[in-house]
Amino acid sequence: AQKITQTQPGMFVQEKEAVTLDCTYDTSDQSYGLFWYKQPSSGEMIFLIYQGSYDEQNATEGRYSLNFQKARKSANLVISASQLGDSAMYFCAMREGRGGYNKLIFGAGTRLAVHP
Amino acid sequence: GAVVSQHPSRVICKSGTSVKIECRSLDFQATTMFWYRQFPKKSLMLMATSNEGSKATYEQGVEKDKFLINHASLTLSTLTVTSAHPEDSSFYICSLSRGATNEKLFFGSGTQLSVL
Repeated sequence: AQKITQTQPGMFVQEKEAVTLDCTYDTSDQSYGLFWYKQPSSGEMIFLIYQGSYDEQNATEGRYSLNFQKARKSANLVISASQLGDSAMYFCAMREGRGGYNKLIFGAGTRLAVHP
Repeated sequence: GAVVSQHPSRVICKSGTSVKIECRSLDFQATTMFWYRQFPKKSLMLMATSNEGSKATYEQGVEKDKFLINHASLTLSTLTVTSAHPEDSSFYICSLSRGATNEKLFFGSGTQLSVL
């Protein structure tokens, strides 16, 4: 069974508007972590935001926020005030369990295009 | 600044040759490094976990004799694609964990391997 599901292969948004990228996950662990990464055409993976399973508040990092709904097992990324430079692939990822091993399972990704 | 240095960024080789990719931690000691593979327009798939001073742990379906991993020091892990074939052409990217930190997993800039 897929652990991380990103149902939107592609999304587009108008510059300065907000956009939500969907991510649902599947795990039986009580302790896990959820990540979002941005991958521009250059290929590098850029960390955006992290949410721990025990974190009570939704994570925020600048224009990025994570809408964490634990009961629904969803961890959607919200990008506010989109910029042209936000055009990229976005990956949701999950780390299961505790410990020092940050072994991540990635979703299929969503390609975001920001239009002027 | 960059935390992880990955070289080369791009390599083209003939079928049957071996290619070595380096992943270097620049400002901290990484006991664990991860190697991922990414096919065009696809997600990242974990290949193996590289542990300093011990044998790497490979994911199911990854040939350990094909993809040799050496983590000889706390700052360097190498992935060698032995007797490369065109089907090995892919984007390879390393990441490393700063101890038991659950947040930020740092990624290299990736290596695009093309086997002719």
